[in-house]
Amino acid sequence: GIQVEQSPPDLILQEGANSTLRCNFSDSVNNLQWFHQNPWGQLINLFYIPSGTKQNGRLSATTVATERYSLLYISSSQTTDSGVYFCAPYSGAGSYQLTFGKGTKLSVIP
Amino acid sequence: KAGVTQTPRYLIKTRGQQVTLSCSPISGHRSVSWYQQTPGQGLQFLFEYFSETQRNKGNFPGRFSGRQFSNSRSEMNVSTLELGDSALYLCASSFTANEQFFGPGTRLTVL
Repeated sequence: GIQVEQSPPDLILQEGANSTLRCNFSDSVNNLQWFHQNPWGQLINLFYIPSGTKQNGRLSATTVATERYSLLYISSSQTTDSGVYFCAPYSGAGSYQLTFGKGTKLSVIP
Repeated sequence: KAGVTQTPRYLIKTRGQQVTLSCSPISGHRSVSWYQQTPGQGLQFLFEYFSETQRNKGNFPGRFSGRQFSNSRSEMNVSTLELGDSALYLCASSFTANEQFFGPGTRLTVL
């Protein structure tokens, strides 16, 4: 199956700083999602981004499917951005199965 | 539109017991998937149902089973619970093979 590697595993930022989270995957993918897991465990949808670039407020994401990676940018970080960020590509065309990376744990300190 | 709901939110069981978890998808979504999250293994796919049929299954023992009803609600069952089954169980629903939306999860503790 697809292998997903996320980096860095841990990241500590001062409030207001910018960051880039990376997701590499081993095979071609048709679809990919980014999630933020809050302290209570719920996965919050950030982006559904099979290719190209999308922006939502202070967050943006870019997926380069041909080179098998995706990036999540967080600008002007806030303490509420703390949590774990997961990248999850779909396994195969028409597949509903997400394969998750181990995540990046982000801590934003005031 | 209401989101994905899961019940119960917390559950404590003892080894050897069985447990049933429930998931109600977003209205109109016909695909329901289940995932297990543990500190050691991370988030792992359990199975996916569409129109009452299991279409895909992850690498879990037969003690883990599920079903989907005609209204798209889904249940998963774990029989003969083991300590290692303690986990957060997450359910997700999807309209097509596109964006999936997750519920708040059921946190299962096996003593």
